[in-house]
Amino acid sequence: KNQVEQSPQSLIILEGKNCTLQCNYTVSPFSNLRWYKQDTGRGPVSLTIMTFSENTKSNGRYTATLDADTKQSSLHITASQLSDSASYICVVSGDDMRFGAGTRLTVKP
Amino acid sequence: DGGITQSPKYLFRKEGQNVTLSCEQNLNHDAMYWYRQDPGQGLRLIYYSQIVNDFQKGDIAEGYSVSREKKESFPLTVTSAQKNPTAFYLCASSIDRGLTYEQYFGPGTRLTVT
Repeated sequence: KNQVEQSPQSLIILEGKNCTLQCNYTVSPFSNLRWYKQDTGRGPVSLTIMTFSENTKSNGRYTATLDADTKQSSLHITASQLSDSASYICVVSGDDMRFGAGTRLTVKP
Repeated sequence: DGGITQSPKYLFRKEGQNVTLSCEQNLNHDAMYWYRQDPGQGLRLIYYSQIVNDFQKGDIAEGYSVSREKKESFPLTVTSAQKNPTAFYLCASSIDRGLTYEQYFGPGTRLTVT
C-alpha cells in the first residue's frame, strides 16, 4: 500500500470555480510535505512546502493545509484558470521521499 | 525547468537494446536523482547520487545503470535487463541529498520500447 494516497484520482471543474485536492499519508517519521504541479509531458514544479509546525501556506491562488495529527493535507485552488489543468502531486518526506500518484485536474471553459 | 535539461524528449528503441538518457544541470547542485513515472503510480526512485563518482540504488534499480563523472551530468542507461522499460523518466537535482532541500525536475524523457 502506498504511503501517500491522493484523492480524487481525477477532477473536472469549470473555469472560475474552486476545488480541493486531498492527500493522506502514513509516512513516519515526518519531515515535510510538498505539493507539486506537473503539466502534461513536463517535470513537476514545486508549489508549496510545509513542515510539521505549519498548518497553512499559500502561493497565489493555491493554499495548502496540513494536519500532522491526522496525517492529512489538502490543496485548495481558488478561482481556477485553464492553465491550472495539470496533475498535482503530494510528496511526503520522512526517512525518504514518497510520492503520491497525483490528482489529474481538468479546468474547462 | 530550473536549469535541468533532459534529452531527448522522446526516445524509441527496439527490445533488447540498451539506451542512455541524458541529464544535465547548471544549478551547481551536488545531488542528482532519476525517477520513473508510470500512469496511476507515484514517482519511483531509480538511482541517486550525492556527489561526483558516487551513486546509490533507489527502490527500482534493477535493469538500470548510472554514472556521475561530472557534477553537472548524471546519465541513465536502461539496459536490456529491464523487463518493462517503457515509461516517462524524470531527472532531478537538489543542493544536497537532505530531505529538506527542494528537488528541481527536468522536463522528462518518454521512452518507448517495442
